[in-house]
Amino acid sequence: GENVEQHPSTLSVQEGDSAVIKCTYSDSASNYFPWYKQELGKRPQLIIDIRSNVGEKKDQRIAVTLNKTAKHFSLHITETQPEDSAVYFCAAASNTGNQFYFGTGTSLTVIP
Amino acid sequence: NAGVTQTPKFQVLKTGQSMTLQCAQDMNHEYMSWYRQDPGMGLRLIHYSVGAGITDQGEVPNGYNVSRSTTEDFPLRLLSAAPSQTSVYFCASTPVPSYNEQFFGPGTRLTVL
Repeated sequence: GENVEQHPSTLSVQEGDSAVIKCTYSDSASNYFPWYKQELGKRPQLIIDIRSNVGEKKDQRIAVTLNKTAKHFSLHITETQPEDSAVYFCAAASNTGNQFYFGTGTSLTVIP
Repeated sequence: NAGVTQTPKFQVLKTGQSMTLQCAQDMNHEYMSWYRQDPGMGLRLIHYSVGAGITDQGEVPNGYNVSRSTTEDFPLRLLSAAPSQTSVYFCASTPVPSYNEQFFGPGTRLTVL
């Protein structure tokens, strides 16, 4: 099956700086890559996703990049704010399977 | 729409007890799944279903059973609870095909003593 690795496990940044979280995957059949944000005690919620037919997608301060050749994708958060503090999970899925594979999460702390 | 709902929110069991975690969705999603979340291990898939009457195993199915008699409901049964099953359990649903946004329920925090 798919193996998704996520780094770093913890990340601290100053407010206003950028944060980058990276994930790698092993199955070349994976073609859907979502990112979820989970605040303390809450459920995971989708913040952005990308499909394999594009290399980059942006939504205001959040962007995701995908390198299919290298099998890695990254989440970029610019101009970080204290409310960005949360755990972020990447995931991979394919249209030939029925399973989502999640990374182990990154705990992001934005220091005011 | 209520989205995905789960009951109970918290549960404490003794080793060997059985129980059922309830999950329901009102979005007419065909795909439903159960995950467990443990510190440092992310979300791991227990079981999933692509429609009523169809279930399959995920990454960590041992000790759990599921059934899907209706599109709306997807209960998770712990047959004989063990301390290793102490975790937070999330139910999720998504339209078919399954490679779309998953909508998560609020979670059930289970402690097995």
